[in-house]
Amino acid sequence: DTEVTQTPKHLVMGMTNKKSLKCEQHMGHRAMYWYKQKAKKPPELMFVYSYEKLSINESVPSRFSPECPNSSLLNLHLHALQPEDSALYLCASSQLLDFTTYEQYFGPGTRLTVT
Amino acid sequence: SQQGEEDPQALSIQEGENATMNCSYKTSINNLQWYRQNSGRGLVHLILIRSNEREKHSGRLRVTLDTSKKSSSLLITASRAADTASYFCATAIQGAQKLVFGQGTRLTINP
Repeated sequence: DTEVTQTPKHLVMGMTNKKSLKCEQHMGHRAMYWYKQKAKKPPELMFVYSYEKLSINESVPSRFSPECPNSSLLNLHLHALQPEDSALYLCASSQLLDFTTYEQYFGPGTRLTVT
Repeated sequence: SQQGEEDPQALSIQEGENATMNCSYKTSINNLQWYRQNSGRGLVHLILIRSNEREKHSGRLRVTLDTSKKSSSLLITASRAADTASYFCATAIQGAQKLVFGQGTRLTINP
């Protein structure tokens, strides 16, 4: 199984809502990532987890709160978002946090619209 | 500014022709990776080339890396309509635990 799954596929939320994005992989990967991608732009790294611990936070606003409950699951909790946060949110995983060797596997993304 | 710059930004060719995309970067890298993204979907890893490698092949894909010029190219031979997508290079920068993606090339294959 070389698949990363993300739910939901689409999400529309108001600026006062609280919602969560979910990502799951069963490849035994120990590094997991959240990216944000605006239209016609490259993915931008938000968070990296290594062995269920937060390894990198790219100065992301606190209205985005990541969580890694176990080695297969990654969540992104959303609260009080702004319209400019509307984007495609991508989850990815890799075997280890070792960029000399390992490629990243991406999920299909969650299309988020903040109204 | 971005670590990876890609050229051209957009490319439109006829089916069966070859497509070449270029990527330039600024700092020393451990490896360079190429990914494909179909419209509004997740990225798919295509190929990884390490800093001590000069050329790599995978099916119809050929990637070159010139560390002296800090540049890489992706060649897709005998293009097909299904190759229509955005292609991103991503550099694994030495000393940094992350990939940095280039701006991407939007490739359109016309039947």
